[in-house]
Amino acid sequence: EIVLTQSPGTLSLSPGERATLSCRASQSVSSSYLAWYQQKPGQAPRLLIYGASSRATGIPDRFSGSGSGTDFTLTISRLEPEDFAVYYCQQYGSSPSSFGGGTKVEIK
Amino acid sequence: QVQLQESGPGLVKPSETLSLTCTVSGGSISSYYWSWIRQPAGKGLEWIGRIYTSGSTNYNPSLKSRVTMSVDTSKNQFSLKLSSVTAADTAVYYCARAPGSLYWFDPWGQGTLVTVSS
Repeated sequence: EIVLTQSPGTLSLSPGERATLSCRASQSVSSSYLAWYQQKPGQAPRLLIYGASSRATGIPDRFSGSGSGTDFTLTISRLEPEDFAVYYCQQYGSSPSSFGGGTKVEIK
Repeated sequence: QVQLQESGPGLVKPSETLSLTCTVSGGSISSYYWSWIRQPAGKGLEWIGRIYTSGSTNYNPSLKSRVTMSVDTSKNQFSLKLSSVTAADTAVYYCARAPGSLYWFDPWGQGTLVTVSS
């Protein structure tokens, strides 16, 4: 099983700032089969990014994904109040699919 | 758009079987992969397994011995059974759709909390 490690565990930032979230895999993720999700309290995760860098339908362009192999990044260019949440990466290139432990983006 | 809704008992006794159903509305269940994912309170996400509309299944090896999934295309539903539950199985259980065998999950159901307790 591919283990995904997300860092940092918590990111304390102010609205308008740039957020950079990391997801590192224990082995190469084939064909960049990596997704990012946003989860707010009491809600299901929402798909943001798939294929490492493709935005899902309706996702604002302040969200961007990059990376390949074992290192992936989610960037939020300018944090809006509604962006403070927990973010998870997921690899779906090999079974079982696995998720990272999450990064909480909190208001500083 | 497609919506998913989980249903089932919120409380299950230890050693018994957890049973949940996911109802798909706003679209056909056919030709997609349907997964169950769980999340213990305050913790991360764990993929439990998936079923295709043909009935073929793949389970997480960590749970494989206790998991059974089924699909009822006539009702646009798929189901999860997890046997011999313990307190460690207490979690919010989500159902979700994937467009293919190597794909992301979208959309997700709202989730249902299942507590294992006597």
